[in-house]
Amino acid sequence: DIQMTQSPSSLSASVGDRVTITCRASQYISNYLNWYQRKPGKAPKLLIFAASSLQSGVPSRFSGTGSGTDFTLTISSLQPEDFATYYCQQSYSTPPETFGQGTKVEIK
Amino acid sequence: QVHLVESGGGLVKPGGSLRLSCAASGFTFSDYYMSWIRQAPGKGLEWVSYITHSGSTMHYADSVKGRFTISRDNANNSLYLQMHSLRAEDTAVYYCARRGYSDGYNWFDPWGQGTLVTVSS
Repeated sequence: DIQMTQSPSSLSASVGDRVTITCRASQYISNYLNWYQRKPGKAPKLLIFAASSLQSGVPSRFSGTGSGTDFTLTISSLQPEDFATYYCQQSYSTPPETFGQGTKVEIK
Repeated sequence: QVHLVESGGGLVKPGGSLRLSCAASGFTFSDYYMSWIRQAPGKGLEWVSYITHSGSTMHYADSVKGRFTISRDNANNSLYLQMHSLRAEDTAVYYCARRGYSDGYNWFDPWGQGTLVTVSS
């Protein structure tokens, strides 16, 4: 199974900050990488698919890059509604569909 | 509007059984693979199972293989997860999710709000 490792596990940031979250796959996954946002009590939400394609309705301050084994989710200017936990997920070799352990973005 | 609503969660004793349901609306249910994904307290997301659009093929995580069964009723736009021999480590919020696809890529979107399963004596 492909293991997904996110870093950091948590971070503190202020509104307006640029935030970067990293996801590393244990083996090559091309660009079969998705990013999700999860807020407490709410359903997880797809942000980005295929490493860099923004899901419809997602603000353009979110962007994704990467290919192979290393990927990045960037929030260009953090907004109050962006405080949440973010997960990456590989869809290159399934099943199983594996997720990273999550990165919690907290208010500084 | 695409919508998924889970039900059937609750408190069950170790070794017990439970059946989760997911009602889908707003899209052609029979066109999509569907999945169950769970999140245990304080843990990350764990894929549990998926079923193909016709229901002919199912896959399971090793942690639930032999104990859980996924099924679907395309006539009634419903997805199910039958859970047997439940263990404390199965305690989690269970989400159903549509497996979207395009050009060989796939992803989970949307997700339901989730239903809580608690396994405890």
